[in-house]
Parts: sequence; structure tokens; C-alpha cells
Amino acid sequence: DADVTQTPRNRITKTGKRIMLECSQTKGHDRMYWYRQDPGLGLRLIYYSFDVKDINKGEISDGYSVSRQAQAKFSLSLESAIPNQTALYFCATRGNGDYGYTFGSGTRLTVV
Amino acid sequence: SQQGEEDPQALSIQEGENATMNCSYKTSINNLQWYRQNSGRGLVHLILIRSNEREKHSGRLRVTLDTSKKSSSLLITASRAADTASYFCATADRGSTLGRLYFGRGTQLTVWP
Repeated sequence: DADVTQTPRNRITKTGKRIMLECSQTKGHDRMYWYRQDPGLGLRLIYYSFDVKDINKGEISDGYSVSRQAQAKFSLSLESAIPNQTALYFCATRGNGDYGYTFGSGTRLTVV
Repeated sequence: SQQGEEDPQALSIQEGENATMNCSYKTSINNLQWYRQNSGRGLVHLILIRSNEREKHSGRLRVTLDTSKKSSSLLITASRAADTASYFCATADRGSTLGRLYFGRGTQLTVWP
């Protein structure tokens, strides 16, 4: 099994619908992150969490919300999806100290 | 923007040649990291270099860091077709306790057989 699992892998949804992207990890890491990737723009941080009681906004949190249900689970919700939220979404985790991120395989979301 | 910026945006070489990608950043950093992304897949961590280090090696990868110029380079020696991917630099700000990274827009490397 992958260290960081994202579901679904692909999703097409209609404008105005609520959608949840889920992320679970087996790394035992406290820090979890949601990024969005758009062509030519690199990765931009949506939300991040230090632990289950700590949620922080990133650069582009408008239109998104998150829930840290447990140390291992961090979900991203789009309350009312809009077409410019079409993107590739990544969840990542990191342990304490100077370590790199472990990324999930991503969710490709299309809002029509 | 606090993002790193990679240069060039795209690089095309033949197998066996060396590939060099550069990254510039703006803030004081704790460390700088390089990641690889195959098309449509998640990013994979390649190497981390701390602000007090100048050079680091991992297999065919060599990373340098010049904090006075706020720049880093990633060298892939004896490239292979399987190295074809996008490569991103990411910086961790000095003093940040939450470990958030700022990613550049990436260099698309194509290695022709």
C-alpha cells in the first residue's frame, strides 16, 4: 500500500456541487498539506495542518475547507465547485525535522 | 512571491549527456529540496540540502547551494530516457516551524534515446 493515499484518483463534477477529496497516510506524520497544481503555475498551498487541533490557511484557501479527522486523515472539501477549481490536487505529509514531503498520487478534478 | 524559480523552463538533451537545472529564491532558507514529477503523477523527493551545506550528492544527482546568491543547481549526470520528468525546487523558510514549502514552477526535462 502507498504511504499517502488519495481518493478519488479522478473526478468530474458539475458547477455548484459539493465534493470531498480524501487523504490518508501510514507514515505516522503530524504535518499534512493540500496543494493544487495548475499548468505553468507550479504547486500552490491550500491548507496545512500541524496536528489534529491545528489547521492553517495557505495562499489560496478561498472556496476550500478542510477537516483533520485523525492524525492519519486530512480531507479537502469544495463546498460549491466552480470551473476554475479544475486542477490536480495533491496531499502531502512530512515528519519532524528536515525531511522532504511524501506526496500522494494526486486527484485530477474537473468541474464542468 | 516566495517561490523558487527554476531555469530553464524546458531542457531537451540526448541520453548520456548531463542535465543542469537552476533554481533561484528570494528569502532566507532553512533548506532547499528538489523533487521530480512524472507526467500527472505525485512528486517524489530527490534530495535536501541544508542552508549550511554547499554541495550534496546522491547517486547520479549533484546539488549545489549558494546562499549568498540565493541559488541552487541540480545536475543529473549520464542522463537516461527514464529521467524524463519535471523537476521542482522547493524552499523551507528559516524560522518556519510548520515546515511548509514554496515550490517553483518546474523545469521540464526531456531525454531522447
